[in-house]
Amino acid sequence: GENVEQHPSTLSVQEGDSAVIKCTYSDSASNYFPWYKQELGKRPQLIIDIRSNVGEKKDQRIAVTLNKTAKHFSLHITETQPEDSAVYFCAASGPRGYSTLTFGKGTMLLVSP
Amino acid sequence: DGGITQSPKYLFRKEGQNVTLSCEQNLNHDAMYWYRQDPGQGLRLIYYSQIVNDFQKGDIAEGYSVSREKKESFPLTVTSAQKNPTAFYLCASSHRTSGELVKNIQYFGAGTRLSVL
Repeated sequence: GENVEQHPSTLSVQEGDSAVIKCTYSDSASNYFPWYKQELGKRPQLIIDIRSNVGEKKDQRIAVTLNKTAKHFSLHITETQPEDSAVYFCAASGPRGYSTLTFGKGTMLLVSP
Repeated sequence: DGGITQSPKYLFRKEGQNVTLSCEQNLNHDAMYWYRQDPGQGLRLIYYSQIVNDFQKGDIAEGYSVSREKKESFPLTVTSAQKNPTAFYLCASSHRTSGELVKNIQYFGAGTRLSVL
């Protein structure tokens, strides 16, 4: 089945720095890769996603890149702000076709002022 | 907020007791999901349902049961067979993914925190 590995588990940066979170997946059939942000005590919310036919996608300060050959994808946050502090989860479609997602274990991002 | 409502926010279970977590959505989504979240473990799929009166086991279904009698509702029962039920439970919903052209964008409820007395 699908297995999603996410690194690092924690990441501390200074305000204004960039942050990068990396994920690898095992099922070459996976074709959809969303990223969710979960603030403390709140529900996970989708922040950006990418399909397997696209190599990169940007939305203001966040971007996601995908390398299908290597089966890894990354989240990039530029000009980090304290409100970016949260747990970030990557996910990949499968292993039950397109009907489910397999999530990574999460990265706690701490942005210090 | 809104769209997916989970209740209660906090729940306590006694030894040998079954408890039921509620999940209701008004997004007209066909698919609904239950996840368990433990510290450092991410979100693990318990059960999911793509359509009314049908549901499938996820990765950690043992000790749990579900029903899907209405499109809007997908309750989860944590049975006494689940020996380690203390966790944060999240319900989600999405449009039904009938093929690779449809994104499985899942929307989450606010969660129920279950503890054992």
